[in-house]
Amino acid sequence: EVQLVESGGGLVQPGRSLRLSCAASGFTFDDYGMHWVRLAPGRGLEWLSGMSWNGGSIGYADFAKGRFTISRDNAKSSLYLQIDGLRSDDTALYYCVKDVASSWKTAGYFDSWGQGTQVTVSS
Amino acid sequence: QSVLTQPPSVSGAPGQRVTISCTGSTSNIGAGYEVHWYQHLPGTAPKLLIYMNNNRPSGVPDRFSGSKSGASASLAIAGLQAEDEADYYCQSYDSSLSGFWVFGGGTKVTVL
Repeated sequence: EVQLVESGGGLVQPGRSLRLSCAASGFTFDDYGMHWVRLAPGRGLEWLSGMSWNGGSIGYADFAKGRFTISRDNAKSSLYLQIDGLRSDDTALYYCVKDVASSWKTAGYFDSWGQGTQVTVSS
Repeated sequence: QSVLTQPPSVSGAPGQRVTISCTGSTSNIGAGYEVHWYQHLPGTAPKLLIYMNNNRPSGVPDRFSGSKSGASASLAIAGLQAEDEADYYCQSYDSSLSGFWVFGGGTKVTVL
């Protein structure tokens, strides 16, 4: 059974940084592209970033360029998201998501999601 | 403002058929890109419901069906059940600067 378990969220002050982690199990992690998607109040789901199976190709939503950095460690079956300069509109539930393909930009749909980790940005 | 437009809510009585629209533009659905649908019960992980316009993953009841025409897509739920009460999101590719993979704003389905 595929499991994606996010961690690293919490209450943080504006301007600070945060690193989210996702531990994957139940599938061959380095066969698949992975993504981060967030669910923000009043804004629905937002795709943030995707990374191919070997980290060789990365993509970001336009609004995520510059402050968000995706990475992965296939030896640890883990996906990461670094968020810098946190703002109040980054308050959201952040999901780790598995692609059906090895690339993040071919198939375009996601067959497994984690439960999410909550990030709240407030002073 | 989401790139793909969905109605905020739809409702129906048990056993009825409801449809959720997903309206895009010439930079996404209207350009021929495929549409996918997800079901999300709050507090749980979102679940892939329909992929590539009208395909159901294994385990998804055939009460759920998807279609696409022009710059719009639809999700239909036939024989509505109490367990179908959830949020539903459409997703596609967008070739503009707004992003790569884009979602609709979500539709809350209420079973009366």
